[in-house]
Amino acid sequence: DTEVTQTPKHLVMGMTNKKSLKCEQHMGHRAMYWYKQKAKKPPELMFVYSYEKLSINESVPSRFSPECPNSSLLNLHLHALQPEDSALYLCASSLRVGDEQYFGPGTRLTVT
Amino acid sequence: AQSVTQPDIHITVSEGASLELRCNYSYGATPYLFWYVQSPGQGLQLLLKYFSGDTLVQGIKGFEAEFKRSQSSFNLRKPSVHWSDAAEYFCAVAVNTGFQKLVFGTGTRLLVSP
Repeated sequence: DTEVTQTPKHLVMGMTNKKSLKCEQHMGHRAMYWYKQKAKKPPELMFVYSYEKLSINESVPSRFSPECPNSSLLNLHLHALQPEDSALYLCASSLRVGDEQYFGPGTRLTVT
Repeated sequence: AQSVTQPDIHITVSEGASLELRCNYSYGATPYLFWYVQSPGQGLQLLLKYFSGDTLVQGIKGFEAEFKRSQSSFNLRKPSVHWSDAAEYFCAVAVNTGFQKLVFGTGTRLLVSP
């Protein structure tokens, strides 16, 4: 299994909703990442987990809350988002931090 | 500061013609360099990487890239483009700012004409 999966593919949520994005990999990778990508822009790093511990938080607002329950799973909990948070949210993994990253297909999030 | 520059926002190439996408980086140490491709609404797929050794690296889908330290460049090439190659291409460098992370260029959109 050489892929990163993300669910859901699409998500529409109101500004008062709470939702979660899920990412899974079974490649034995110990680094996992969340990125945000706006249209026609490169991905922007949000969080990095290394060996299930949060290693990097790129000054992301607290309405985004990451969680890494185990080495294969990464969640992103969303609460009280703003319309400008609408974007493609990409998950990636790598064997270790610094190695080549493998990306999932993304979750297209729309905040209304 | 570390940065990656992709000077071409759009490039149009005829199907069957050769392709070169430019990438320049600014990084003090020996860089780890990558090229990714992204089809519309999709995730990024790794095409190839350079860590060390041979400066001409081969990737998937017939792509190759050449690392030129003297020019701080890592240009992507393909001898014959197929219509399915139309996509966004991102060059990236792994930088160590106390912790390694990827810095992406702004991307080049490749259009393939019949």
